[in-house]
Order: sequence, then structure tokens, then C-alpha cells
Amino acid sequence: EAQVTQNPRYLITVTGKKLTVTCSQNMNHEYMSWYRQDPGLGLRQIYYSMNVEVTDKGDVPEGYKVSRKEKRNFPLILESPSPNQTSLYFCASSFTAGVTGETQYFGPGTRLLVL
Amino acid sequence: QQQVKQSPQSLIVQKGGISIINCAYENTAFDYFPWYQQFPGKGPALLIAIRPDVSEKKEGRFTISFNKSAKQFSLHIMDSQPGDSATYFCAASKWDFNKFYFGSGTKLNVKP
Repeated sequence: EAQVTQNPRYLITVTGKKLTVTCSQNMNHEYMSWYRQDPGLGLRQIYYSMNVEVTDKGDVPEGYKVSRKEKRNFPLILESPSPNQTSLYFCASSFTAGVTGETQYFGPGTRLLVL
Repeated sequence: QQQVKQSPQSLIVQKGGISIINCAYENTAFDYFPWYQQFPGKGPALLIAIRPDVSEKKEGRFTISFNKSAKQFSLHIMDSQPGDSATYFCAASKWDFNKFYFGSGTKLNVKP
């Protein structure tokens, strides 16, 4: 089944404790992206990747890191989480960046609470 | 500052009625305008999308109307059904389709 998977789905952590949220897609997609969803703000793009070893900042990259060492995986790293990073996080992928009408497939989301 | 402004925040419609959600943008470099549907506990899913070279796009009961001069676009859901109850997001991206800007979302409730 074609899908985007995220782990963990739920995470409670404390301020300053490094964490990684994994994202994996099995569709051989080139483009992957991370978003955070907050009430009243919709989805905001954190980082995106057009292919292996090619990443760039989205609208709200502060406090986050990403890497794209393999085509299928795009982990989101919070080196020193803070309470304002409490949010619902989504990973998404699409076949090719820069192609009109290309559908972005979203993962199921990771709900993060930073105490 | 939000690049795409969406209204209303919530909407209640009777079954069979028309649901209308509006979005506005400022950046004339935006070249692609998708709408996403999100059910509780799920990720968003692409519903319908439009490019600015057309004023309207219809797919089944869902229609996007696009007004380039006013920098506005809207989603119309005809014959709304309880199964359409979800949160809807408009979005915009530039020609490279790399960076996406989403509206704040509209929670639609279709009453039986």
C-alpha cells in the first residue's frame, strides 16, 4: 500500500531533550516536506527536500533540522525542544517537485507535547 | 503574517445546501492554488487544485472559482453531505511548487 508513515504518532517530552520524528514513504517520491499544524494558523511549512541531499527552509524552520540521506526517509530533528514547538506535525511527499498538479501525500501526523 | 487568508473559520450548512469557503492572497507570484480536505485524526488530502490561467475548475460536487484581479479564490461544495464534514484548507505556491502557504482552515459541519 502506497503510504507515508510517521513515528512516533504521539510524543511527550521535556524542554531541551533532543528528539527525532521519522518519516518514510514507499512511493519513490523525490519531494518531501514537513509541516506543523496549529489552531488558527493552519499548516506551516518547516523544511522541504527536492531530492537526496537537497533540503531547504520553509516558512518556519527555526529550532528544527532535517536530513535526506536516502530517498525514502526524511527525519525531523528537534535538537533542543521548547514548549512553543508543541504542535501536530505532518510529513508529506510527492513524486517530483516543480510539476504542476502533483499531489502531495500526507502522513497521519505526530502529536508532540513539550513540557 | 499569513500569506493566504481564509474565511470563515467555521461553517454550518444543511444537507443539500451549498458550502462556500473563501481565500485571498497578496503575492502575485503564486501560481498554483490547491484545496485540501482533512478529517479528524488524519492528514490533509488534496481535493482539487487550479492554476491562474482558468477562472473555474469543477470536479464532481466541488468547484474552485478563481478571480485573478481580486487575488481571491473560493471552494464551492454543491449538494453538501454529512460526509463532507471536515476541515478544509486552501493553499498557494509559486511556479516551482516547492514552498506551500496554507490558509488557517475552515471547519465545515453539514447537518443531516
